[in-house]
Amino acid sequence: DGGITQSPKYLFRKEGQNVTLSCEQNLNHDAMYWYRQDPGQGLRLIYYSQIVNDFQKGDIAEGYSVSREKKESFPLTVTSAQKNPTAFYLCASSTRGFAPYEQYFGPGTRLTVT
Amino acid sequence: AQTVTQSQPEMSVQEAETVTLSCTYDTSESDYYLFWYKQPPSRQMILVIRQEAYKQQNATENRFSVNFQKAAKSFSLKISDSQLGDAAMYFCAYWSNAGNMLTFGGGTRLMVKP
Repeated sequence: DGGITQSPKYLFRKEGQNVTLSCEQNLNHDAMYWYRQDPGQGLRLIYYSQIVNDFQKGDIAEGYSVSREKKESFPLTVTSAQKNPTAFYLCASSTRGFAPYEQYFGPGTRLTVT
Repeated sequence: AQTVTQSQPEMSVQEAETVTLSCTYDTSESDYYLFWYKQPPSRQMILVIRQEAYKQQNATENRFSVNFQKAAKSFSLKISDSQLGDAAMYFCAYWSNAGNMLTFGGGTRLMVKP
């Protein structure tokens, strides 16, 4: 089955700790994206990557970091510099050529920092 | 920067009735795409319908249709014969090849009454 997996579904961390959220896709997509969703709000773009070893900041990149060493994987690290990290995080992927706008979403990770 | 506005935080509809969700956007570009996504309680993002800006004909997918008014920058979603399974958050989103990213509205929570 082709798709996007995010693990874990729920993640709990203490304040001051860095935490890495996993995102893997087997759709052979070039582009991958990380979004943050707060309660009752829309999705905001954190980072995106069009190709391996390249990524760009989105609207709310401060306090986050990413890497793209493999086409299939785009992990997101929430650093201790992120002032309000508790949120729902969604990963997505798309092609770069035909229909790059058609993003496929993972099931998300709910991060709670106390 | 593009902005997407959903002015209805919550909407309610009786089962089998029709409901229309509103969305407006701001852009100076001529080549773009508009989307409606559904997010049920599982929080999985599901693409409902897509509209290409260059197409004059309104998109339709079964019970879902849009009213695309390009000059007014308006993109509403009509759900006919509403079903209990339609209850969800609905997000309007915008994509342009120039921006190369999805911009989401704040969402509308749709409740369906039996």
